[in-house]
Amino acid sequence: QKEVEQNSGPLSVPEGAIASLNCTYSDRGSQSFFWYRQYSGKSPELIMFIYSNGDKEDGRFTAQLNKASQYVSLLIRDSQPSDSATYLCAVNRNTGGFKTIFGAGTRLFVKA
Amino acid sequence: DTAVSQTPKYLVTQMGNDKSIKCEQNLGHDTMYWYKQDSKKFLKIMFSYNNKELIINETVPNRFSPKSPDKAHLNLHINSLELGDSAVYFCASSRNRDLGTEAFFGQGTRLTVV
Repeated sequence: QKEVEQNSGPLSVPEGAIASLNCTYSDRGSQSFFWYRQYSGKSPELIMFIYSNGDKEDGRFTAQLNKASQYVSLLIRDSQPSDSATYLCAVNRNTGGFKTIFGAGTRLFVKA
Repeated sequence: DTAVSQTPKYLVTQMGNDKSIKCEQNLGHDTMYWYKQDSKKFLKIMFSYNNKELIINETVPNRFSPKSPDKAHLNLHINSLELGDSAVYFCASSRNRDLGTEAFFGQGTRLTVV
């Protein structure tokens, strides 16, 4: 089992729709969770982070965390073609040494 | 003012050669990393340094040798390059090893071994 799992996609949504990206993690000792966006040929950049169970909203983005289910998600409201990218879920943990573990990413296409 | 900069951006070399990638961060961060992103876009940690000290060494062949002369620099030297080393290598830094800190990435070095 991979430490951080994401559906590789591609996930295709029409412009204006809600895009829902999901991620599960295996280490219960994980304590902080991040969503990075990576455009093709570019480096990852942070969109959201969340530490506590529940929802966290920032503009069109909402991160959701459920530690009991070891599940974290990212919702993108009013999706735009410029949101088309690969979204990487990342987890910080301190088991066996501090490290950030990334999922393989979900490719999102927003159709105009 | 690039926060995390790595050079070169592109590197094409033959099998068996030795090459280095350099990374510098001007954010004052304590922790730096090397990640490898393969053709399937999976971003895998290779090494992590905190204040020049190696703290994480994932199962990376010993042909890969990181060096951190100071906490603002983390270089990666690769000996006897192989075809399978072709990937994009990202340097990153974070403020420290607190579990809440995010990583800032360099622009990546696309290594192609022919």
